[in-house]
Amino acid sequence: EDKVVQSPLSLVVHEGDTVTLNCSYEVTNFRSLLWYKQEKKAPTFLFMLTSSGIEKKSGRLSSILDKKELFSILNITATQTGDSAIYLCAVGLGGKLIFGQGTELSVKP
Amino acid sequence: NAGVTQTPKFRILKIGQSMTLQCAQDMNHNYMYWYRQDPGMGLKLIYYSVGAGITDKGEVPNGYNVSRSTTEDFPLRLELAAPSQTSVYFCASSELAGGPLGANVLTFGAGSRLTVL
Repeated sequence: EDKVVQSPLSLVVHEGDTVTLNCSYEVTNFRSLLWYKQEKKAPTFLFMLTSSGIEKKSGRLSSILDKKELFSILNITATQTGDSAIYLCAVGLGGKLIFGQGTELSVKP
Repeated sequence: NAGVTQTPKFRILKIGQSMTLQCAQDMNHNYMYWYRQDPGMGLKLIYYSVGAGITDKGEVPNGYNVSRSTTEDFPLRLELAAPSQTSVYFCASSELAGGPLGANVLTFGAGSRLTVL
């Protein structure tokens, strides 16, 4: 059975902190790993990763994939209250996308 | 450009009632999906479709049915509503996953909140 597991499930930090969110997977037919951000509505796309060791960056967010150890991390530096959201990891299996449980991040002022 | 449109946004059903959640996309995407999201549970795939006339089960298909008669529309049918189907439902679409990447960058609808009492 295909499985995507995220940790931690929830996290509370203060503004300015750096956080690392984890995503591990056990799937057949891996094609890609994606990160989404969800703020009380539909998820919005952050990153897509297909190759090991190549970091993707967007502002204060960055992500990397390790296809040998079957995991990815999402880093957020200098967190802001606007980063408070659920962060979802998903694995693309060709025709479908399987999501993890999500990590709920709360950034306090 | 509307993207992915879901209706209704909210609905309350009684146990045993039936209803259809509508989903339409105007991006000419081949792939369409239905997910449900329960609190703290991430997104679970109900059904997906790789093109008109083709549908396949996801992780949690029981109690639901779908059809894909056109590229644009992908309705989700609940035949006998049960309290366990209380959830937020998201429809999504993506471009054809081809080539070496096989990527599925989904565009989501705004969601439909369903309560079964």
